[in-house]
This record gives sequence, C-alpha cells and structure tokens, in this order.
Amino acid sequence: ILNVEQSPQSLHVQEGDSTNFTCSFPSSNFYALHWYRWETAKSPEALFVMTLNGDEKKKGRISATLNTKEGYSYLYIKGSQPEDSATYLCASWALETGNQFYFGTGTSLTVIP
Amino acid sequence: SQTIHQWPATLVQPVGSPLSLECTVEGTSNPNLYWYRQAAGRGLQLLFYSVGIGQISSEVPQNLSASRPQDRQFILSSKKLLLSDSGFYLCAWFSLGGWTEAFFGQGTRLTVV
Repeated sequence: ILNVEQSPQSLHVQEGDSTNFTCSFPSSNFYALHWYRWETAKSPEALFVMTLNGDEKKKGRISATLNTKEGYSYLYIKGSQPEDSATYLCASWALETGNQFYFGTGTSLTVIP
Repeated sequence: SQTIHQWPATLVQPVGSPLSLECTVEGTSNPNLYWYRQAAGRGLQLLFYSVGIGQISSEVPQNLSASRPQDRQFILSSKKLLLSDSGFYLCAWFSLGGWTEAFFGQGTRLTVV
C-alpha cells in the first residue's frame, strides 16, 4: 500500500481569499501524481496529471507544483469562489505498487460567500 | 474517448442480502479497471483492480469480491452485505503508469440497512 497523505483535512476560506493545500507521497520509484476535484456523489473531475520533478501546471485560477525528490505537491487556488467548494483529491502511482493507484484522504474546501 | 458506465446510481439493501454492482467501459480495449469505496468521512480506498479478463487483485480483505468476466466489464459483488459495506463506490479506469487522467463511473451510493 502506498501512503498518500493530504493536509489540511478541511479548510474554510472567505470568497476572494487564496489558498493552498498539500499532498505528500513516497518519493521512491515515483511515476505520476494526479489532482482531482470531487463533489459528493459525483465522479471526480481531473485537474492535473504531473510526472516530472519541478512540474508546474495551471488551469484558470488553480495551479499545482510537484517535487518528486521530497515527495510533495501543492495545489493553489487564487481568489477562491463559492463554486470552488469541493473535496480536492491527489492520487499517486509508484513503480513498486505495480498497477495500484492510491488516493489521499482529500482536502475539503468550503468557500464562504 | 473513454466512457465508463456504472450502475445502479443508488441502492438500499438489507443486511445479509447479496450485492452486484456493474461497470462497463467504452472507447478502449484491455483497460486497467479499479473499484474504490468512500466510507463516511473518509477518502477513496482501493478495493480491487484488474488488468485483464479473470485477473483480480484484492487490496484489502473484506466482505466483497470482484470479477472481470469480459474485457470491458468489471463487477463488484457480495454474498451477504454488512452495515459497514455502506458507502460510495466508484469504478475507475487508469492508463498503465498513470500518465493520463483517470476516467470514472458516476458512482453508486450503497446504504445497507
């Protein structure tokens, strides 16, 4: 089992605030890291797929960075809006786990209007 | 493009009854398929994955089983449901190595009463 951790577990921010959260994963034999936005009882929506150390990706007001040497990724949301409220999941794939793809427990974001 | 169909969307079953959740994939052949579960207040836990017909790997011991009778069909089953089997179940397709985003079914909300 691959231990993928996310922090914080939940977060409440005011509309317009910028925020960020962390995904930690084992750095050895790293293959890929994914970020998803997930609303309850719906399919997760893909945000980013990151594979290279130092990767930085951006999609609108959301961006992510990747450090494979130390085993972490940050997700940033600039100028949070109420529609950003959701759970943000990261998932990691490593060589030693074969075909398994492990998710973190998620960060639940609530943006207060 | 890949599409995953998962049904039923919601299910209420009594304790001790059997379960069958079905997932079918379109738009790809020989997919790597996964069953995940979100229990209340927790993240996505990997239950089973399959790399081909008849090939099932179980991640954690539990009251559930999985089968891959056809290339694009993945079934999650139980002979006798427990209260602890309640949760949100997701079927997913990942490319080998995780270098592209995953595709998910719409999910099944299972309540065992």
